[in-house]
Amino acid sequence: GQNIDQPTEMTATEGAIVQINCTYQTSGFNGLFWYQQHAGEAPTFLSYNVLDGLEEKGRFSSFLSRSKGYSYLLLKELQMKDSASYLCAVSATTSGTYKYIFGTGTRLKVLA
Amino acid sequence: DAGITQSPRHKVTETGTPVTLRCHQTENHRYMYWYRQDPGHGLRLIHYSYGVKDTDKGEVSDGYSVSRSKTEDFLLTLESATSSQTSVYFCAIRGRVNEKLFFGSGTQLSVL
Repeated sequence: GQNIDQPTEMTATEGAIVQINCTYQTSGFNGLFWYQQHAGEAPTFLSYNVLDGLEEKGRFSSFLSRSKGYSYLLLKELQMKDSASYLCAVSATTSGTYKYIFGTGTRLKVLA
Repeated sequence: DAGITQSPRHKVTETGTPVTLRCHQTENHRYMYWYRQDPGHGLRLIHYSYGVKDTDKGEVSDGYSVSRSKTEDFLLTLESATSSQTSVYFCAIRGRVNEKLFFGSGTQLSVL
């Protein structure tokens, strides 16, 4: 089967750094994605890791270790607008087709 | 937005009635997905399609059927709606760059 775990909720202060962890178990792994979702809106793409290591994109970075089934999303210089849910998702190949499985999401609250 | 639209945006219906949700894309993507999102469960895959007339089940497919008679449209049908199917439904397409998913704006469905 496939399973993705991430914390339900986190709180951080404006200007700080926060790390959101994600662990997964899956067969046919193709890649790991992070999405941001503001309340009442659709998820939007943040980052993608297919190989081990760190991918940096502005204030956001994502790390992947395939051998450990582990990823994290790092948000720097937190802003109030970063208050949102962050979804970890895994792409996996099943019978030659691509499925995307999501974790339950981490709700991040940024406090002034 | 990768040219993806969902209709309707909101729907209220009664238990036992059939309901069809439509997902339309304009960019000839091969893969299309239907998810439902509920508090505490995150995004759960209902069905997906990897081509015209090619579909497969996701993790929560019971009570749902899909059809894809042409590339641009992927329909989700609740044959006999139940209150447990009250949810927000998202359609997504798999992009060609980084294989990331693009989401539609969602459909809020209430079954009374």
